[in-house]
Amino acid sequence: QPVVTQSSSASASLGSSVKLTCTLISGHSSFTIVWHQQQPGKAPRYLMKVEGSGSYNKGSGVPDRFSGSRSGADRYLTISNIQSEDEADYYCETWDDNTRVFGGGTKLTVL
Amino acid sequence: EVQLVESGGGLVQPGGSLRLSCAASGFTLSDYWMHWVRQAPGKGLVWVSGISRDGSTTNYADSVKGRFTISRDNTKNMLYLQMNSLRAEDTATYFCVRAYDYWGQGILVTVSS
Repeated sequence: QPVVTQSSSASASLGSSVKLTCTLISGHSSFTIVWHQQQPGKAPRYLMKVEGSGSYNKGSGVPDRFSGSRSGADRYLTISNIQSEDEADYYCETWDDNTRVFGGGTKLTVL
Repeated sequence: EVQLVESGGGLVQPGGSLRLSCAASGFTLSDYWMHWVRQAPGKGLVWVSGISRDGSTTNYADSVKGRFTISRDNTKNMLYLQMNSLRAEDTATYFCVRAYDYWGQGILVTVSS
C-alpha cells in the first residue's frame, strides 16, 4: 500500500509564503494526493487534489493564496500571503484500490 | 449544499457495540464512494473503512477488520458503521467523508469502563 510522509511542523510569518511537502514512498511517486486543512477544534476541510502530472484542482471556496505542485515523489502545498486563519494542521492523503492513507500532518504556526 | 451529518456516538464499555450513521444531503449519494475516517484525541487522521457506490465493495483498515462493518442505503441517503468488540484504542472522533472532498463535522466515540 502507498505511504506518504510529512514534516511534523512548519512556521511562517504573517504575509509571507510557506511550502509544505508530502512525499510518496516506495514506488508510488506517480500517485495523486489530496491536501486537507484542519483548523483547531474543527473538522478537516478539503483543499485540493495534486495529480502526478503536477496539475492541481482546488475545492470550492479555497482562496487563490493556496496552490499545489509536484517534483518527483514530492507533492507541495504553497500558501502565499499567509493569514492568521491559516494556522492549522495540514494533512496529505493518497490511496490505492483497497486503502487510503494519510500522512502524519504538518502543524503550521503563523508567527 | 453538500452536508454530511454523523450521529450515534457516545460512551460505550470495552467489548460493546455502537452503530454510527451519516445522513447525506445536497448530492446523489449513489454517485460516490464513501469513507469513515477517525481521529484519536490529539492525534492525526486515520482511514477506517470505505464502500463503493453500490455497496458491493467494502474495504477496511487492518485495525478494524472483522470488528467493524460499513454499509449504505442509497435510497435513504445514509451511510453506516457498525462497530463491535470495541476497544479503548477505538476512542476517537469519527468522520464521514464523501470520496475525498467533503467531511462531516465528526462524532465522538469513547470506549471506557
